Amino acid sequence: EDQVTQSPEALRLQEGESSSLNCSYTVSGLRGLFWYRQDPGKGPEFLFTLYSAGEEKEKERLKATLTKKESFLHITAPKPEDSATYLCAVRSGDSNYQLIWGAGTKLIIKP
Amino acid sequence: NAGVTQTPKFQVLKTGQSMTLQCAQDMNHNSMYWYRQDPGMGLRLIYYSASEGTTDKGEVPNGYNVSRLNKREFSLRLESAAPSQTSVYFCASTQGSGANVLTFGAGSRLTVL
Repeated sequence: EDQVTQSPEALRLQEGESSSLNCSYTVSGLRGLFWYRQDPGKGPEFLFTLYSAGEEKEKERLKATLTKKESFLHITAPKPEDSATYLCAVRSGDSNYQLIWGAGTKLIIKP
Repeated sequence: NAGVTQTPKFQVLKTGQSMTLQCAQDMNHNSMYWYRQDPGMGLRLIYYSASEGTTDKGEVPNGYNVSRLNKREFSLRLESAAPSQTSVYFCASTQGSGANVLTFGAGSRLTVL
């Protein structure tokens, strides 16, 4: 059964304290892994797509990486405005239109 | 540039009442989706429309119906609301075929008493 697990559920960091969020997945034929950011009371906002193991994408203080079993979202020197819930989703070979979503990691950056 | 617009933002229903959630996108996207988001769970797909004139069931379609009114609009209807349908509902759209980069609306919070 296709599955996506994100850890930790919540992460509290001091401003400037770097860390990583994890997204572990089991799918039949990965056709894309997606990272989204969700602010309270808003819809998810797209960050990255990764397609194959070894691929990396960067945007400001965020870097996403992918292996055959998991993806990491690395946050370098975070700022309070990076506080949000980060969602991971995968698209498998079984369906063009269905994504399998993790429950998210709530990130809190304290000034 | 509005993107994806959902109405209403908040709604309280009594068990057995019906209602329709409206969604419209102005990006000329082909595919549209309805998701629900519940605490501690990932987003779950209710229905999707790959293109104008087509709709298909997602992971949790029971108790819902949809209409793809035209290329811009995709509505979600609850015929007889149940407390288990208390959730936050998100509409999303994407340009091409397949669930790639989704653009989401701001969400509709529904409470069924």
